[in-house]
Amino acid sequence: GESVGLHLPTLSVQEGDNSIINCAYSNSASDYFIWYKQESGKGPQFIIDIRSNMDKRQGQRVTVLLNKTVKHLSLQIAATQPGDSAVYFCAENKGDTGRRALTFGSGTRLQVQP
Amino acid sequence: DGGITQSPKYLFRKEGQNVTLSCEQNLNHDAMYWYRQDPGQGLRLIYYSQIVNDFQKGDIAEGYSVSREKKESFPLTVTSAQKNPTAFYLCASSIVTGNTEAFFGQGTRLTVV
Repeated sequence: GESVGLHLPTLSVQEGDNSIINCAYSNSASDYFIWYKQESGKGPQFIIDIRSNMDKRQGQRVTVLLNKTVKHLSLQIAATQPGDSAVYFCAENKGDTGRRALTFGSGTRLQVQP
Repeated sequence: DGGITQSPKYLFRKEGQNVTLSCEQNLNHDAMYWYRQDPGQGLRLIYYSQIVNDFQKGDIAEGYSVSREKKESFPLTVTSAQKNPTAFYLCASSIVTGNTEAFFGQGTRLTVV
């Protein structure tokens, strides 16, 4: 399959532990943020999103935290499972630039050890 | 079932040839996008379209062209002017552009031989 992210930063965790993946975004006026999961050879899949008027949002086993002061976004995965192994991307919508498409970060590889 | 379909999954092109990648969606989405992905990098925006008969350049549009004659279809042509076309190409769509989730296809791997 497609090799995605050969030189990406890697987070290695034990099965059952919690994972935290971090992302710094670039535009202080960005108004929407989203996390995607990408498995090798496949397209990105939606995990969770958050708007700039919130600082926390929870889904099933996942939580996204937004700190607008330092332009930082994090994804927390509870009780990490082998199926969570993938590359994770954050993306932002730079609403004030006139650009109407998501801008992606460079990604983090999550490796879950059984 | 609804979704976004890219074809072919693998594509080989000789240097100097143009090639067109297909992207079709049946989600009734107004907005569609093309991204390029290289190993060790995130997704970079090539072109996007907010509505039929309209499209805008992204960050790396040089050497690429698109059309949006139908709501369901947003084909990408990789021209001979693209100096390094070997990459993984991802098409996406969303209800509207901006503050909303984009749904991705499974990608086309283009290799220049």
